[in-house]
Amino acid sequence: GAGVSQSPRYKVAKRGQDVALRCDPISGHVSLFWYQQALGQGPEFLTYFQNEAQLDKSGLPSDRFFAERPEGSVSTLKIQRTQQEDSAVYLCASSLRSDTEAFFGQGTRLTVV
Amino acid sequence: GESVGLHLPTLSVQEGDNSIINCAYSNSASDYFIWYKQESGKGPQFIIDIRSNMDKRQGQRVTVLLNKTVKHLSLQIAATQPGDSAVYFCAENGGYIPTFGRGTSLIVHP
Repeated sequence: GAGVSQSPRYKVAKRGQDVALRCDPISGHVSLFWYQQALGQGPEFLTYFQNEAQLDKSGLPSDRFFAERPEGSVSTLKIQRTQQEDSAVYLCASSLRSDTEAFFGQGTRLTVV
Repeated sequence: GESVGLHLPTLSVQEGDNSIINCAYSNSASDYFIWYKQESGKGPQFIIDIRSNMDKRQGQRVTVLLNKTVKHLSLQIAATQPGDSAVYFCAENGGYIPTFGRGTSLIVHP
């Protein structure tokens, strides 16, 4: 595709439910980032992949959050036992290299009820 | 300065005016800076970037100025249009991770 694609666009989860958010980066982009954006705030870094290697996961808020990119393209962010404070927009971005501009997807809005 | 809580700094301008959005960054090691525009319900959209070996870079209707001495970045939008209304973020990159500020809400009145 022409841009970064994320699915689903919207997800409503009951507290305690597991969710999986998908990101299809731009083809050929080596770097992939996940961010969390709360209402009225800037995106907060969660984790970074270079190809299939997860080089930085320092932003993941707890061990309930897990991300993977097994073949160096599509990535999945999984949140186990969701809690209300997990409600946010989850943004995925990819870039050709780590020092070039990152292109963002539309995001997945997660609401935990 | 930045607001606390959910209230973003806001800049209101009239259509046709020039807009200047400011950003202070924190990491003196940052060598790459990007401005993004985010409309409601959408992901951030790349506008323009600048590397630390430059002070100024121009695009179509936009100019970014970088002052490394005071760690300040600005985005100038010429002849602002209603379609420019959005939240604008600067991001600094000192290694491999773009780090975002809180953003400024630009409101353009027709």
